[in-house]
Amino acid sequence: ETGVTQSPTHLIKTRGQQVTLRCSSQSGHNTVSWYQQALGQGPQFIFQYYREEENGRGNFPPRFSGLQFPNYSSELNVNALELDDSALYLCASSMGDRGDQETQYFGPGTRLLVL
Amino acid sequence: DQQVKQNSPSLSVQEGRISILNCDYTNSMFDYFLWYKKYPAEGPTFLISISSIKDKNEDGRFTVFLNKSAKHLSLHIVPSQPGDSAVYFCAARYDTGANSKLTFGKGITLSVRP
Repeated sequence: ETGVTQSPTHLIKTRGQQVTLRCSSQSGHNTVSWYQQALGQGPQFIFQYYREEENGRGNFPPRFSGLQFPNYSSELNVNALELDDSALYLCASSMGDRGDQETQYFGPGTRLLVL
Repeated sequence: DQQVKQNSPSLSVQEGRISILNCDYTNSMFDYFLWYKKYPAEGPTFLISISSIKDKNEDGRFTVFLNKSAKHLSLHIVPSQPGDSAVYFCAARYDTGANSKLTFGKGITLSVRP
């Protein structure tokens, strides 16, 4: 059983550019959640995908968007990058069948630096 | 508005002694609580969780206590080991049926001295 994987591990972009981050969920999991962790802070919820549909969104602007594919892998896209988008982006997968207290398992993260 | 608070940024403990990490929350809708451990350059690793219908959950050296009336939980590690040195995050969630997002505290850096 493979765990959650993310790519790339590190990325440097310039302000105004666009970025796509990728996540492969743990085998058997159908839910992917994305979090942003700024330096010195806890992870902040961006959005969640359950069976290819967006299933909740945190307080992030529309330039943060996502997708989930039939194999339950996921992408996070950020348009018009700003300096404050520099952070560690974490993906977590879970077996989300609503009402269950499922545990989210995290990948190693992608560290994004915006210059 | 910080709904999950870990007010102590760091804790240093001697190897073999007990580590007690505290967490407070403000949202009474939270009904499930988790602790994650994070090493540098890795993602958070799930440690232990507790449902709001319980007041204690134990797993090996790790025990989580929940005091709902005080909106307070704590993680006890006994005995502490140098390998436990990491950042510990408290997280909370509630199941609205819409999503199961986790709300995290800022984390506590635990250092276990040999």
